[in-house]
Amino acid sequence: QVQLQESGPGLAKPSETLSLTCSVSGVSINSGSYYWGWIRQPPGKGLEWIESINYSGRTYYNPSLKSRVTTSVDTAKNQFSLNLNSVTAADTAVYFCARSMGYWGAFDIWGQGKMVTVFS
Amino acid sequence: QSVLTQPPSASGTPGQRVTISCSGSTSNIGSNTVDWYQQLPGAAPKLLIYNNNARPSGVPDRFSGSKSDTSASLAITGLQSDDEADYSCATWDDSLNGRVFGGGTKLTIL
Repeated sequence: QVQLQESGPGLAKPSETLSLTCSVSGVSINSGSYYWGWIRQPPGKGLEWIESINYSGRTYYNPSLKSRVTTSVDTAKNQFSLNLNSVTAADTAVYFCARSMGYWGAFDIWGQGKMVTVFS
Repeated sequence: QSVLTQPPSASGTPGQRVTISCSGSTSNIGSNTVDWYQQLPGAAPKLLIYNNNARPSGVPDRFSGSKSDTSASLAITGLQSDDEADYSCATWDDSLNGRVFGGGTKLTIL
């Protein structure tokens, strides 16, 4: 079955870059119909969409985060990645990767989540 | 402040029916389909409803969704203890050109 798994450091220092990777198994990331997204959830708060990307690199960003986000797809490794720069304590959250059918579609498969804490 | 507005909490007793509302605007719910997610404590969200009222395989028919104009609702019938979770709505927003979520509703089974 389709599975997603986040990986990366669990700690980041203020002003540095947070980098996470999502490894996909059970389906090729090249499948043209899907988009691959990142969503985060600060402790005790609601979900916030960060961005979604497809196999060709077409990307949609949350306007409030766009200036700090870069994202990429590695089709050979069947992975996609998130970089969030100039982090502050407000970026402390559980970061989820997920799959959607189309950029507008629901997220039907989610990773288990990666807790990232920003502290000095 | 979330783009979509949900009540922070809801409650019900086992066997009861409960509804959770999600209010938006013409640029999001009014123009696009709505999905709902269930998030058990410490777990990742799980897709419960997509395209306003469709259920993924494996989701019981006790869960149903509806949409009218700029609002949507999730209904849960025959409440069970393991329905205690956070429920969030989501949709695409044409003005923001991005996906938006509600703030989530914590459902407590009394």
